[in-house]
Amino acid sequence: ILNVEQSPQSLHVQEGDSTNFTCSFPSSNFYALHWYRWETAKSPEALFVMTLNGDEKKKGRISATLNTKEGYSYLYIKGSQPEDSATYLCAPNTSYGKLTFGQGTILTVHP
Amino acid sequence: KAGVTQTPRYLIKTRGQQVTLSCSPISGHRSVSWYQQTPGQGLQFLFEYFSETQRNKGNFPGRFSGRQFSNSRSEMNVSTLELGDSALYLCASRPTVATNEKLFFGSGTQLSVL
Repeated sequence: ILNVEQSPQSLHVQEGDSTNFTCSFPSSNFYALHWYRWETAKSPEALFVMTLNGDEKKKGRISATLNTKEGYSYLYIKGSQPEDSATYLCAPNTSYGKLTFGQGTILTVHP
Repeated sequence: KAGVTQTPRYLIKTRGQQVTLSCSPISGHRSVSWYQQTPGQGLQFLFEYFSETQRNKGNFPGRFSGRQFSNSRSEMNVSTLELGDSALYLCASRPTVATNEKLFFGSGTQLSVL
């Protein structure tokens, strides 16, 4: 069973704060790393898919980096807003077509 | 373009019964995968179908099965329901099974087993 760890489990920040989360995964047999955002009462929505070591992706105030050699990815949110409140999930793809999701980081942004 | 459609949205069953869940992918998407979400367990992979063939299977008992039709619609069946099968079941589609393709999720089916 693939061990995917996300930290912290939950996070409370004030509006305007910048924050970051970590996703750790086994570095062997790596194919891709997915990040998803899951808002309450909605479906998970893809943020990024990264495949190359050193990859950096950005979408508005959210960005992510990938280190495949040491098996980790960081997700950054700059200037958090209440609408960023959600569960952030990472999922490495280390077996062709099979994603293993971490437990997620629950972010709450207080106005 | 319509999104991923899952039916029914809610379902209540009793132990020992069986249930069938349906998933219609985004038009043109040939891969459908299924996930189980339970409190404290996160999203657990059930299986993935591509072009009517099961490509991968998660660590679930044989009571969980699925299939995919020629129009890419997929069904998941759970037989002999147990209380622990109560969960949110999500399906997701993507055009192919390329590792860099993101998943598009449906709204899920909330199954309660009494």
